[in-house]
Amino acid sequence: QSALTQPASVSGSPGQSITISCTGTSRDIGAYNYVSWFQQHPLKAPKLLIYEVSNRPSGVPNRFSGSKSGNTASLTISGLQAEDEADYYCSSYTTINTRVFGGGTKLTVL
Amino acid sequence: DVQLVESGGGLVKPGGSLRLSCAASGFSFSNFAMNWVRQAPGKGLEWVSSIRSRSPDTYYADSVKGRFTISRDNAQNSLFLQMNSLRPEDTAVYYCASQSFDFWGQGTLVTVSS
Repeated sequence: QSALTQPASVSGSPGQSITISCTGTSRDIGAYNYVSWFQQHPLKAPKLLIYEVSNRPSGVPNRFSGSKSGNTASLTISGLQAEDEADYYCSSYTTINTRVFGGGTKLTVL
Repeated sequence: DVQLVESGGGLVKPGGSLRLSCAASGFSFSNFAMNWVRQAPGKGLEWVSSIRSRSPDTYYADSVKGRFTISRDNAQNSLFLQMNSLRPEDTAVYYCASQSFDFWGQGTLVTVSS
């Protein structure tokens, strides 16, 4: 049950686009289309941004989008805003009916 | 509105036990699987355990297998996590989360220290 691999940090200026990668294996990301992305602001509970690779829950702006290729998933945030500064986590269902999270990526809006 | 409210956290000595509870409201609790996720201070999210909606099927992270037990009471709309043989590395905020992780509680802090 190794954690998924995310970059520790990314940054971008307001209005720009950034992409966060999430690399797993054929036993998790590569096995199913059950990849989720979460946003977490300091001292807050995580918030679901993307589910099943590319679907947005009601209320999540379409600036947030997800994709997957092979064992790697990606979250793209377009039109960066100051309030997007937060920690982002990917997660995947696994072939042994467990869940695994990525180590998290800190997004800084310059 | 969906609400998940955790309780039961606190300070416990290494080797001790604690039982966390999560009270659910605003949705058909018995129809959905549930999860526990934890976050150590300054660290990332770690999935801990999940339980199916009605069957006894339960699943655990390797880090807690054999020490933690997840259970639920569908009549009381409640989720539980029995934590035994606690270790300092179990210190974390523990969240309960819905089946698809679309709803989370506010978390309860568990501190394992002598």
